[in-house]
Amino acid sequence: DAKTTQPPSMDCAEGRAANLPCNHSTISGNEYVYWYRQIHSQGPQYIIHGLKNNETNEMASLIITEDRKSSTLILPHATLRDTAVYYCIALKTSYDKVIFGPGTSLSVIP
Amino acid sequence: DTGVSQDPRHKITKRGQNVTFRCDPISEHNRLYWYRQTLGQGPEFLTYFQNEAQLEKSRLLSDRFSAERPKGSFSTLEIQRTEQGDSAMYLCASSQTMGQSYGYTFGSGTRLTVV
Repeated sequence: DAKTTQPPSMDCAEGRAANLPCNHSTISGNEYVYWYRQIHSQGPQYIIHGLKNNETNEMASLIITEDRKSSTLILPHATLRDTAVYYCIALKTSYDKVIFGPGTSLSVIP
Repeated sequence: DTGVSQDPRHKITKRGQNVTFRCDPISEHNRLYWYRQTLGQGPEFLTYFQNEAQLEKSRLLSDRFSAERPKGSFSTLEIQRTEQGDSAMYLCASSQTMGQSYGYTFGSGTRLTVV
C-alpha cells in the first residue's frame, strides 16, 4: 500500500470548514484513499473513501486531485465534536490490513 | 446488530498475570482485526482473521500473545505473563470481504493497565 503524509496538527474555528490535506504521491491506480478519524478514547471511525472522483457523504467531502497524488478531506462546518485525529490511508480494498500513521490532530476551537 | 463489542472496557492487572479480552464483531463480517494503541500513537496492527483462520500476525505479537476466533464469530486475545509494557488500549475491528463495505467498524477498545 502507498505511503501517505499528513501534517501532524491543525486548528480550525468552530463553524468554519476544516480542510485536511493528505499526500499520496506513490498511490497506484487501484488504490483507494480512505479516511478514518479517532475521537479521544474511542476506536477509529470510517469517514469516507474515494478512487478518483470527488465524494460526499453526510460526514464529509473528499476531493482527490486529477493526478491522484493528493487529496483533501473537508468537514464543511466544523464543530467541537470534530476534534479528533484524522488518518488518511491508501488501500486496494475496504478490508485490506490498515496500517495507521500518526495522522493529523485537528483541534476545533470555539 | 449494534456494532463491535469489546469486553471488558477496562482491565487492571498485576504484572505476571494472564488476561483475556473478548471481541464480538458485526455478525455478517467475516474479517476480524486486533490492534494495540499506546498514548499518542496511532493504532498498531497485531493480527487478523478471516472466518476462523488467522491469516497474519505482526511481529509485535510476541509468544505471550495468542488470539483465537474458534467458530468464526467472536474472538479472544490472551496475554500471558503480562508486563508493564503491555499497558495499552486493545482495539478490535471487523469488516466484510463481500458486498458493499465502507471500511472497518471498530469497537471502543479494552484499556489494559499492568501494575
